[in-house]
Amino acid sequence: DSGVTQTPKHLITATGQRVTLRCSPRSGDLSVYWYQQSLDQGLQFLIQYYNGEERAKGNILERFSAQQFPDLHSELNLSSLELGDSALYFCASSAFSRGQETQYFGPGTRLLVL
Amino acid sequence: LAKTTQPISMDSYEGQEVNITCSHNNIATNDYITWYQQFPSQGPRFIIQGYKTKVTNEVASLFIPADRKSSTLSLPRVSLSDTAVYYCLVGDMNSGGYQKVTFGIGTKLQVIP
Repeated sequence: DSGVTQTPKHLITATGQRVTLRCSPRSGDLSVYWYQQSLDQGLQFLIQYYNGEERAKGNILERFSAQQFPDLHSELNLSSLELGDSALYFCASSAFSRGQETQYFGPGTRLLVL
Repeated sequence: LAKTTQPISMDSYEGQEVNITCSHNNIATNDYITWYQQFPSQGPRFIIQGYKTKVTNEVASLFIPADRKSSTLSLPRVSLSDTAVYYCLVGDMNSGGYQKVTFGIGTKLQVIP
């Protein structure tokens, strides 16, 4: 157990809909990353938040947005869903040790768009 | 941004030592080498990290030659539960490196009984 929680575990929805994925980082971790992993694909970095502020953007579509709240949990909002958005969505929080950052991943949310 | 190359897949019998090599010819001075393990439908899990020479922990060893253009993850006496995808990452994790590194598709290790 990494200490990072994600809800829901599974989500099935229809094209055109909007969903919200939630992530709670490990206690004390300020940084949250979101990743998308499609079938047999590597993890694609979407976005990073640090202490409530957006820190970096990766390959995140304009239909997707995220935020990090004062209690440090984060939400990833996916709108106008398409079939191709079906994937595993992971969040990770991170901590520094001896000057290097290590990520701790949650169990993921499996999204299926029908 | 250091590009990494690792084998797509490997097979090994239970009880054998497995070595997975990652090439990173354009590694930068401040870059560290980090390996993650991912089981199906789970998030990746940190295994080991190193800068040079050899690093060992309770799970694996990481060998890095002097030129640092490659690294080898060594898993001693693998078991069926080591069947997973292994990712090699190279970057300066001291300065938000995870924003820039790519996990790629990793190496799919299949352990055979």
